[in-house]
Amino acid sequence: AQSVTQPDIHITVSEGASLELRCNYSYGATPYLFWYVQSPGQGLQLLLKYFSGDTLVQGIKGFEAEFKRSQSSFNLRKPSVHWSDAAEYFCAVGTTGGGNKLTFGTGTQLKVEL
Amino acid sequence: ETGVTQTPRHLVMGMTNKKSLKCEQHLGHNAMYWYKQSAKKPLELMFVYSLEERVENNSVPSRFSPECPNSSHLFLHLHTLQPEDSALYLCASSQDMGDSYEQYFGPGTRLTVT
Repeated sequence: AQSVTQPDIHITVSEGASLELRCNYSYGATPYLFWYVQSPGQGLQLLLKYFSGDTLVQGIKGFEAEFKRSQSSFNLRKPSVHWSDAAEYFCAVGTTGGGNKLTFGTGTQLKVEL
Repeated sequence: ETGVTQTPRHLVMGMTNKKSLKCEQHLGHNAMYWYKQSAKKPLELMFVYSLEERVENNSVPSRFSPECPNSSHLFLHLHTLQPEDSALYLCASSQDMGDSYEQYFGPGTRLTVT
């Protein structure tokens, strides 16, 4: 079965600094990979997704992620963080023929210092 | 606004009560999902419906009973819950059950079982 690991439970960055959130997955074939963001009191919003093709994926709100098969990783990046980016971020993996059933990581809570 | 609404947003219930959570999607989607989000744990997929037919039941206790009367509405009926069932219950929908379809999430119902 597939699994997702987000090694960082909490991350604090200063506004304007760059950000990288880590995600590692376990799956025997090429996965479908997603990053979602959850603001307090809200549901999850899709930031970006990788299905195939270019391994560098651009998303909304200035985020990008890179799929690295050799490292089984799909890290989320942003060159300059804004205070409004403070939220919880979830990485998820779907499988081929999995019927859109996603496995989520435990999330990374991002705090932005002004 | 993601097009998926959930009511109520907050619910406190005793262990002997019966209550229902409601989800409605205004996106014309064919698949709907119930997830449980507990602190420090990954999102857990509970139920999946496709075209009003249940296609997934992830070993969820029978005290949780889903209902999908049409493709726009999804209910989760609750009875004789336990304190460990306290969590955020998220509803999601997607165009279909295929691997590549984005899931749109509602804001969730915060359930507290006393």
